[in-house]
Amino acid sequence: DGGITQSPKYLFRKEGQNVTLSCEQNLNHDAMYWYRQDPGQGLRLIYYSQIVNDFQKGDIAEGYSVSREKKESFPLTVTSAQKNPTAFYLCASSIWAATGELFFGEGSRLTVL
Amino acid sequence: AQKVTQAQTEISVVEKEDVTLDCVYETRDTTYYLFWYKQPPSGELVFLIRRNSFDEQNEISGRYSWNFQKSTSSFNFTITASQVVDSAVYFCALAPPWDDKIIFGKGTRLHILP
Repeated sequence: DGGITQSPKYLFRKEGQNVTLSCEQNLNHDAMYWYRQDPGQGLRLIYYSQIVNDFQKGDIAEGYSVSREKKESFPLTVTSAQKNPTAFYLCASSIWAATGELFFGEGSRLTVL
Repeated sequence: AQKVTQAQTEISVVEKEDVTLDCVYETRDTTYYLFWYKQPPSGELVFLIRRNSFDEQNEISGRYSWNFQKSTSSFNFTITASQVVDSAVYFCALAPPWDDKIIFGKGTRLHILP
C-alpha cells in the first residue's frame, strides 16, 4: 500500500546526542515536510522540500537539519543544539506544494532524558 | 500576517449530538486554500477537505459539513449525529497557492461520550 513510513515510533535520547528520524514515502510525491507538534501548540513547520537536493527552513528550523538525496526519503536530524527536543514529530508529503492535500505518517515521539 | 484561530481548545458532547468546530482565519491574499484535518489517537493526520477561496458553496459529505463564509473569514466544520469514532483532534489550516507553507491552527480536541 502507498503511504508514508516514519521510524522509529518512539525514541529516547540523552541530552547532548544527535538523533535522526526516518521518513520514507512511496507515493511519488515531490514535496515533503517535517512538522513538530507540542501539546496546545498545533503543528509547526520545521523544514520542507519541493524537490530532490533542495530544502527550505520552516518556522522553527534552529537545532534541526535535513537532507533530500532521494525523492522518497527526507530524514530529520535533531541535533544537540535543539534546546527543547522532546516532542511529537510528523512527516508529510504532497503531490505538489500547499495546494495539494498532505499525507502524513504516524509520527515519531522523541523523549530526551 | 497569516493566522488560523481555533478558539475551542476542547469540546465534549454526548454521542448522537451535533457539534460545530470553529475556525477563523486571517490573510491579506485574495486567493488561498483552506483545509480541515483529523488526528485520531493513532497520531496520523487525515485530510478531510480542501476549499478554494473562490468557492463559497457549503459542502456536505455524509455526517460532515463545512460552512465557508468569506465575509466573516470563517470555515466551520459540523459533525451531525456524532459517533465515538469521531473523537480526535481536528485542525483547520490555511495556505496561499504560491507558497509551500500550510499554516495550521492549534487544533480542537473533540470528545464524543458514549
